[in-house]
Formats: sequence, structure tokens, C-alpha cells
Amino acid sequence: GQQLNQSPQSMFIQEGEDVSMNCTSSSIFNTWLWYKQEPGEGPVLLIALYKAGELTSNGRLTAQFGITRKDSFLNISASIPSDVGIYFCAGQSGTYKYIFGTGTRLKVLA
Amino acid sequence: GAVVSQHPSRVICKSGTSVKIECRSLDFQATTMFWYRQFPKQSLMLMATSNEGSKATYEQGVEKDKFLINHASLTLSTLTVTSAHPEDSSFYICSASIGLLAGPETQYFGPGTRLLVL
Repeated sequence: GQQLNQSPQSMFIQEGEDVSMNCTSSSIFNTWLWYKQEPGEGPVLLIALYKAGELTSNGRLTAQFGITRKDSFLNISASIPSDVGIYFCAGQSGTYKYIFGTGTRLKVLA
Repeated sequence: GAVVSQHPSRVICKSGTSVKIECRSLDFQATTMFWYRQFPKQSLMLMATSNEGSKATYEQGVEKDKFLINHASLTLSTLTVTSAHPEDSSFYICSASIGLLAGPETQYFGPGTRLLVL
């Protein structure tokens, strides 16, 4: 099935550092979503984006809907150990279905 | 936020047997439920969409006779993996929504069920 490409695939960062990850697609999406998944659990929605160019924050998280509608990025500022997990982007275009990205695995070193 | 539960959380079965996984919305009526499969270190792949009282819609490449979905009530959907084989071993995740076209803020994922077929 179709997937969105996320980068980086994984990253180790020091506590307190800022993190940036992105998601790209060859197709246009109308909605971009960012989820966090912890081991053995289902994903939890972090941020939803509905308009090209939209920049939305949720606490230390900021995400943007790319102008071309083919990409999105997520920034985490001042990372803390509980930010550990897998971050997935997901896109929606014209149907009710979400297509999930390949995931970025984040590990924070205290 | 709303809570979606899955049971069992883990299951080990012998090859050739069938396994039923339940997905329940605990505090809202879920008109639509989605079933995903996630292989280790991979993304979530949509398997099927079920609406209460209707037959499920399966994604291309997903065998409907192997993965039986029943959405008999507004709070319960079940996925039965029939004649399971080792390649069916995966993490199965459901999500529940108040409606097919409801926004992502009203779609909630369950904690997943890890299936291991020996």
C-alpha cells in the first residue's frame, strides 16, 4: 500500500535539544496529521493540520502543513525523556482513509 | 479523551487455528471502526473499514475470508483471523470513530493486540 516517507528514520538526541522531522509524499493531501506511538500501544493524535501553510502548536510541539500540500514537518522543542516514542505522520486526501508515514523513532538521552 | 479498548492485548496461537480480537469503544458510540496491521518497525496499514450493521470494506490485498470483521453494535467490532499462519503474526490495531467522515480528533486508537502464530 501507499506510504509516506518520513525522515529521519530514527534519531538519538540529548535532553533539552530541539527535534525536527518531516514527512513527504508524491501526492497532494488535504489533511496532515501527526501521531505519537509508544511501545505496545496505539497511536495518539498530537496535531492536525487542515490548510496549506498552516502552522499549529501543541505545547512544545509545532507542525506545519507544507505549501505544496505534499509535505509536513514536526518540531519538538526542548526535548524531555518522555518524548521517546515513534512519531508518525498521516495524510488524508479526498477519502476518509489515512495513509501513515514510515515513522521516526526518537530516543532522548538524559 | 475517549477510550478504546482491545482484547486480548497479546495472544499466541498454533498455526491453523482462529483468533478473535475485540475492539470496544468505552464511552462513545462508534459508527465506524478501522482495523490496521503493523509489522515490526513498520507503519500502520489499513486492512478494512467497518460501519455498524454493514459489511466491512476491505483494502486491496486483504483477504476478507481470512480476516472476518463483525461490527454488530455501536461499541464493538471484532476481527477474526481464520486459519492463522506465522506470516499473520503482527500487531493489530483498531480505531473507532463517531462516523466515517468525522475528523481525526474524533477517531481514537485502541492499544493494539499482538498476535504470534507458532
